[in-house]
Amino acid sequence: KNQVEQSPQSLIILEGKNCTLQCNYTVSPFSNLRWYKQDTGRGPVSLTIMTFSENTKSNGRYTATLDADTKQSSLHITASQLSDSASYICVVRTGTYKYIFGTGTRLKVLA
Amino acid sequence: KAGVTQTPRYLIKTRGQQVTLSCSPISGHRSVSWYQQTPGQGLQFLFEYFSETQRNKGNFPGRFSGRQFSNSRSEMNVSTLELGDSALYLCASRLAGAPTDTQYFGPGTRLTVL
Repeated sequence: KNQVEQSPQSLIILEGKNCTLQCNYTVSPFSNLRWYKQDTGRGPVSLTIMTFSENTKSNGRYTATLDADTKQSSLHITASQLSDSASYICVVRTGTYKYIFGTGTRLKVLA
Repeated sequence: KAGVTQTPRYLIKTRGQQVTLSCSPISGHRSVSWYQQTPGQGLQFLFEYFSETQRNKGNFPGRFSGRQFSNSRSEMNVSTLELGDSALYLCASRLAGAPTDTQYFGPGTRLTVL
């Protein structure tokens, strides 16, 4: 069964600290993996997309990694800011036009 | 360039009624997808339309249907509403069909079924 699992479910950190969110998937065939940020009351916004051959991709303070062998991805946030408070969703595209979504990690950054 | 717009933003209906939600994609985007988001299930894929044709469908009952017009605008219809249909319905558009095309989401329509 195609599944995407994210951990932790929720996370609270202090402003300025780093954090890492995890995404494990059992999806076949694999096409690409994307991380989204979703602010409360808004639609998700794409942060990074990674294909099978990519190991690391950065977008400002966000760095995503992908290990296709172990079927794991992580999203590392450096020097967190209050505006990073949001839900982060891992999405794996499989085959043709199908997306499997994780349930997300809710991050709260405190001043 | 204007983003994806969805109307209405909020909707309250009662069980048994039907509802139609509208989505206008980014200009030039030909693919529109619909998703249901609930606190318990997260985001779930409903269906995708490309050039007025449904090319993929998620695991939702037939009460959920959609269509796309020649200008790429899309509508989603839910008939015989149930309490469990209460959710945020998100629409996303993409340029074409490439797997790496970025999906741009709209703000969603919050549907409450009483």
